Order: sequence, then structure tokens, then C-alpha cells
Amino acid sequence: DSGVTQTPKHLITATGQRVTLRCSPRSGDLSVYWYQQSLDQGLQFLIQYYNGEERAKGNILERFSAQQFPDLHSELNLSSLELGDSALYFCASSLSGISYEQYFGPGTRLTVT
Amino acid sequence: GIQVEQSPPDLILQEGANSTLRCNFSDSVNNLQWFHQNPWGQLINLFYIPSGTKQNGRLSATTVATERYSLLYISSSQTTDSGVYFCAVEANNLFFGTGTRLTVIP
Repeated sequence: DSGVTQTPKHLITATGQRVTLRCSPRSGDLSVYWYQQSLDQGLQFLIQYYNGEERAKGNILERFSAQQFPDLHSELNLSSLELGDSALYFCASSLSGISYEQYFGPGTRLTVT
Repeated sequence: GIQVEQSPPDLILQEGANSTLRCNFSDSVNNLQWFHQNPWGQLINLFYIPSGTKQNGRLSATTVATERYSLLYISSSQTTDSGVYFCAVEANNLFFGTGTRLTVIP
């Protein structure tokens, strides 16, 4: 158990819908990262927050957004869902922003039908 | 972004055999991590190893940062070692390789 929690574990929804994925980092970690793992794209970095502020952006679509709250939990919002958004979404946390080990949550498996 | 190449892409071993997985990366990095993704999809931290050698039980890893590669050694493999092994390098954020799929057969 990494100490990072994610909910829900599984999510099935229809195209065009909007979903919210939730992540709680390990106790004491200030940085939260979101990753997407799909069959064709592999594991890709989406976005990073550090202590409530956006720190870095990767291959995140405009239909996707995230935030980190004062209690340091984070939410990833996915809207106007398409079939190609079906993937495993991971949250990771680390103590700080750079050069610290990242610990991954169990992931949320999103299926868009 | 940084290119991360892992080899071999697939590996089938008899239980008890040893193996070496390789990770090459294209630029200088701040750190490097090895992960094991088990059949249930969970990503498990194996090593945080920006340079040098570390050992943890039957697993060990070596990173030679100046030559831009890392090696993961698995000795006396067990069926529970099956899964996908990822190398990830950090240069502002983590860049993952495409993984090595390991199957250990009894």
C-alpha cells in the first residue's frame, strides 16, 4: 500500500458525459501528479500540483482540468468524454516538486461507452 | 521530451531463472525510478535510483547516469514477479518507458 488513495476504482460512463476522479496524497506529501495509461499511448504525465498551485502540465487535453484543494487532495475533471478517453488514470504524490520519489495510487479505470 | 527505451519488450522465464532488464534514456535526468505493474494494474515502487547501485532482496538496480542507462536485475525469479516493469526518468516530470512484460512460468 503506497498510502495514496484514489476513488472510484472503476467508472463506466457514456460519451459526452463528465466525471470527477479523486486522489488523496500520502500524509506529508505536497505534490500531486496525474497520469493516464492507455493501450496506445502508454503511461503519460497529465498535470502536477504543488501545495495547491499548478506546477507543470503535460499532455492534458483542454477538456480535462484538475485542482488541488487546501487539504491537499486533488480532483481530475474529465468532460465531453470520448471513447478514446477510456484508460487507467493514476494519481501519484511526492514530498516536494522535483527529484523526489513518486508514489502511485491504485488507479481509476475509466470506461467510456 | 526525453526518450526512454526499455529492452527487451517481452521476456519469458522459467521459475528460478535470472534476468536483466535495460532502460536507456536520451538526456540528463534528475532521477530514475523502476516500477512493477502487477496483473491488477497497480504500480509498485521498486527503486528510486538516480545513480549507483541498490539492492532489495532478489532485486537490484544500477544506474549509470553519465552513460544514460539503468539496469534492473531479477534473480531466482518467481511467478509473482510476472507483470510489466517500467523505468521512468524525471526531467521536470516523469517520462515512462514502454515497459518490459515479464512472464515467469512454473
